[in-house]
Amino acid sequence: DAKTTQPTSMDCAEGRAANLPCNHSTISGNEYVYWYRQIHSQGPQYIIHGLKNNETNEMASLIITEDRKSSTLILPHATLRDTAVYYCIVKGYMDYGQNFVFGPGTRLSVLP
Amino acid sequence: KAGVTQTPRYLIKTRGQQVTLSCSPISGHRSVSWYQQTPGQGLQFLFEYFSETQRNKGNFPGRFSGRQFSNSRSEMNVSTLELGDSALYLCASSLGGLQGGETQYFGPGTRLLVL
Repeated sequence: DAKTTQPTSMDCAEGRAANLPCNHSTISGNEYVYWYRQIHSQGPQYIIHGLKNNETNEMASLIITEDRKSSTLILPHATLRDTAVYYCIVKGYMDYGQNFVFGPGTRLSVLP
Repeated sequence: KAGVTQTPRYLIKTRGQQVTLSCSPISGHRSVSWYQQTPGQGLQFLFEYFSETQRNKGNFPGRFSGRQFSNSRSEMNVSTLELGDSALYLCASSLGGLQGGETQYFGPGTRLLVL
């Protein structure tokens, strides 16, 4: 089962910041928070990930609370092309292999 | 650098047939993971290969199998196809280290329709 909970859907006006929340209250010390998005029927696209500190790249910012029990993905100036399903995933070191456990994600609609 | 590529992109099969899907990872990536995405179950992990060995496996029946070649390219096979196998099959690659913080990069997927 996914270790995260996200709102089912959100709307955002074009040009405004989109703030997507994620709860991961059972996160453990070695687990990272990852964000991916999936635009209709395409493969998931990596956005950003972090462990403790806030992170920023050319696509987005990731804000992780001090207790690490929740995080927020920020798209600073949303465009229509940002309409997608956004997945928040918690993943850490595994004894064997690597796999992501995807939940249902948040369907973000950017409105003109 | 080229991204993850998957072939074919679309496939139509009939029940009882078998199918082989192919994935070429990003150059230098040694881990390849496969996922199945359906409207009902969402994105589910099938298995992961690293250095030609299956390293991790999800909860799927034995009809689903895979392999990895020495150049890290991977194939997955589904035998005795069922209607419920209709899905988007996604491949993802990563460097393959076991420490945390590694990123998987996904391909565009192969859409399989079973009639």
